[in-house]
Amino acid sequence: GAVVSQHPSRVICKSGTSVKIECRSLDFQATTMFWYRQFPKQSLMLMATSNEGSKATYEQGVEKDKFLINHASLTLSTLTVTSAHPEDSSFYICSAAPGQNSYEQYFGPGTRLTVT
Amino acid sequence: AQTVTQSQPEMSVQEAETVTLSCTYDTSESDYYLFWYKQPPSRQMILVIRQEAYKQQNATENRFSVNFQKAAKSFSLKISDSQLGDAAMYFCAYRRTGANSKLTFGKGITLSVRP
Repeated sequence: GAVVSQHPSRVICKSGTSVKIECRSLDFQATTMFWYRQFPKQSLMLMATSNEGSKATYEQGVEKDKFLINHASLTLSTLTVTSAHPEDSSFYICSAAPGQNSYEQYFGPGTRLTVT
Repeated sequence: AQTVTQSQPEMSVQEAETVTLSCTYDTSESDYYLFWYKQPPSRQMILVIRQEAYKQQNATENRFSVNFQKAAKSFSLKISDSQLGDAAMYFCAYRRTGANSKLTFGKGITLSVRP
């Protein structure tokens, strides 16, 4: 089956620094990738949709200057949390969609971000 | 806008018994997809079952089956012969047709399985 990886799986950073999270589709090309944020015991909240080679589309209320998304290739999307603060601590999940005729999205294992 | 509602935050089932998780949704589209995802403690999202709205037949996957009522906009998940490994959060999700459209998730339900 299709595999999506995320790196790192856990990261701790200091307040004010930036941290980058990578999402890779390992055995398929993903024309679209999605980034979610999830708090404990809550649902996944879509942050943005990224299409290869174009600017990401952010959901309402998500600061695009704080959460920088780059989808540079058909197998890699990155989320950079800039000037991180403790309230940015959360679980971040990406998913990847193979293409036009696919109903499926494949999820990465998630990244736990802790900002101290 | 599409919405997905899971009104039960928690449920519990005895091992080997059957449990039904409820989900309703709202959409003006006629063709779309519905999904149930499982999120165990590892937090890896796992697709349990999907249903295409144009199909009248309810989807089944081994011990998992759905009751899809399109007119009522209801999409419940039945888990038969519950196992300890079924304990997880379950999310109902909606996605309209079209290339790479986004998923809309319900709030989720935490299912516990009693041995």
